Amino acid sequence: AQSVTQLDSQVPVFEEAPVELRCNYSSSVSVYLFWYVQYPNQGLQLLLKYLSGSTLVKGINGFEAEFNKSQTSFHLRKPSVHISDTAEYFCAVSYAGGTSYGKLTFGQGTILTVHP
Amino acid sequence: EAGVAQSPRYKIIEKRQSVAFWCNPISGHATLYWYQQILGQGPKLLIQFQNNGVVDDSQLPKDRFSAERLKGVDSTLKIQPAKLEDSAVYLCASSPKGLALAKNIQYFGAGTRLSVL
Repeated sequence: AQSVTQLDSQVPVFEEAPVELRCNYSSSVSVYLFWYVQYPNQGLQLLLKYLSGSTLVKGINGFEAEFNKSQTSFHLRKPSVHISDTAEYFCAVSYAGGTSYGKLTFGQGTILTVHP
Repeated sequence: EAGVAQSPRYKIIEKRQSVAFWCNPISGHATLYWYQQILGQGPKLLIQFQNNGVVDDSQLPKDRFSAERLKGVDSTLKIQPAKLEDSAVYLCASSPKGLALAKNIQYFGAGTRLSVL
């Protein structure tokens, strides 16, 4: 079964500092990878996705992530965070076909708190 | 375009009572998902519909949970009777046909927060 591990449950950071949220997945086949953001009392919003092609993926709000197949990782980065980036971030994986068609498996989430 | 609509936003019930949640997906989206998100955890898929047929309900506790998708559009998720451990946010998501579905791109509603006392 596919699984996703987000290595940090909470990440505090000061405004304008860089941040990296770590995500590792387990898979022996091709995958699609996603990062979602969830603001308080809201649903999940897609930040970015890796489907194929370039391993560096750029998303909304200045976020980017790099797919590393050998390390089965998909870490999320932002060079300079804002107070408004405070939210919970979820990494998700889906197998590219087979019986897992259409299924997303989520990590447990990382709460990013940006301090002034 | 309008997003995924869910109601109610909040619900408080006592254990052993029943409750129902409603979801209206994005217009034209053939696939609909219900997720359960317990505090401190990522969303867990409960059931997936393709049009009005069930594709996957392997993680749905069928002794107490049921779901239906009327005419392949709106969907309701019901819990009867509710237990304390059902306290969670219930998220609905939808996905269009074709290439987007194959890439599993899903669009989420704001969720219904259920508290079972």
